[in-house]
Order: sequence, then structure tokens, then C-alpha cells
Amino acid sequence: DAGVIQSPRHEVTEMGQEVTLRCKPISGHDYLFWYRQTMMRGLELLIYFNNNVPIDDSGMPEDRFSAKMPNASFSTLKIQPSEPRDSAVYFCASSPGLNQPQHFGDGTRLSIL
Amino acid sequence: GENVEQHPSTLSVQEGDSAVIKCTYSDSASNYFPWYKQELGKRPQLIIDIRSNVGEKKDQRIAVTLNKTAKHFSLHITETQPEDSAVYFCAAWASKIIFGSGTRLSIRP
Repeated sequence: DAGVIQSPRHEVTEMGQEVTLRCKPISGHDYLFWYRQTMMRGLELLIYFNNNVPIDDSGMPEDRFSAKMPNASFSTLKIQPSEPRDSAVYFCASSPGLNQPQHFGDGTRLSIL
Repeated sequence: GENVEQHPSTLSVQEGDSAVIKCTYSDSASNYFPWYKQELGKRPQLIIDIRSNVGEKKDQRIAVTLNKTAKHFSLHITETQPEDSAVYFCAAWASKIIFGSGTRLSIRP
């Protein structure tokens, strides 16, 4: 199994630009999670999906953030417009069920200048 | 809302000694408690987990204990080795998963 695949691994862009992060979960996993990790705030759950349906998006910081899961093998996290305070490592994770071990991708290191 | 507190924030132990990391949670409905290890620049990886119907679980040198009454759970690493150096996160699941702030564990040779 290839594990959870995220792209890009690194993204550097100027503030105001649109940023799209991508994730391919492990096949057969019904749950997909998006996290943000910073030194100040630690690891925060942004949103999670069950069978492609968003279940809890209470962690999404602002309307500038949006996430979609058009099918079982693909999800995106979009920031528009981006701001320097959005700089962080964004992780995607998947699990076979709720309250089951989550498998994390390698993350996207995002820098907004 | 749910809150998870983790202590200590940093921990340094002599190689071969034991390390203990403690977490407390606020939501009594929490029923699943995973622990993750994150090496520098890498992704978090699950090392052990415990459910609310179990008081203790072991996997070789790693053990986790859960006290539901006191709402706290702990990670125990015995016979520590240099490769145990990393940041460890606890987490608790109630209506959503909440992570602790992490413990940076350093193993002194």
C-alpha cells in the first residue's frame, strides 16, 4: 500500500494567491482528515469527511478555507486568498473507521510570503 | 469544548531509563485515546492506542494506562533507546479528535 499521498510537498507563494493542497487517502478508508500543524497552535483538526461527506468543519479557521472530496480517492484543501499566517504544515490522514488508527501523509509545507 | 492537556512539554531521560508522559481530557464522552510519535520533519505515526473499556495496553517497550474516573491517560516507555527521541502527541476522541500540545522526548546517551 502506498499510504496517504499528499501533493505538493512544499509550496511557496505570495499572499493573496490561491493555494490548493491535494490528498489521496488509503484505498478502502472511509474517513479523511485535514490537519494544520504550527509551533504556536500544535496539531489542529480542520475538517473530516466520512464517505466523501464533510462531517465536522468546525476547525476550519475562516471562510478563506474550503475543502472538498469529490470521490473516495481524492480530496482538496483550498485557501483563497492566502495570508502569511496560513504558513504551516498541512497533513492529510485517513482511517478505515471512526475511532480507528489514522494514517498520515507526509504533509505539505506551505509558506505564504 | 473538549480539551486535552499534555505534560511535560519537554523530557530528557538517560538511555535505558523509563519515560512517562501524561495527558488529561475534559470530555467524559471520550472513548478512544491514540498516541502518535513524530520525528523531526516527518509525519505523525501511531505507536499505540487504547479504548475506554480497557485500563492498560502494552506493546513491547510501550504501554498506555487509562483512568476514566480521573480522565487521564499516560504513555510509558521502558528501556529507552536513542531512536525513541521524538515529539509524542496524545489525543482523545469524543465528537472529534483533539490532540495534546506534544512532548519533546530526548534520550541522553
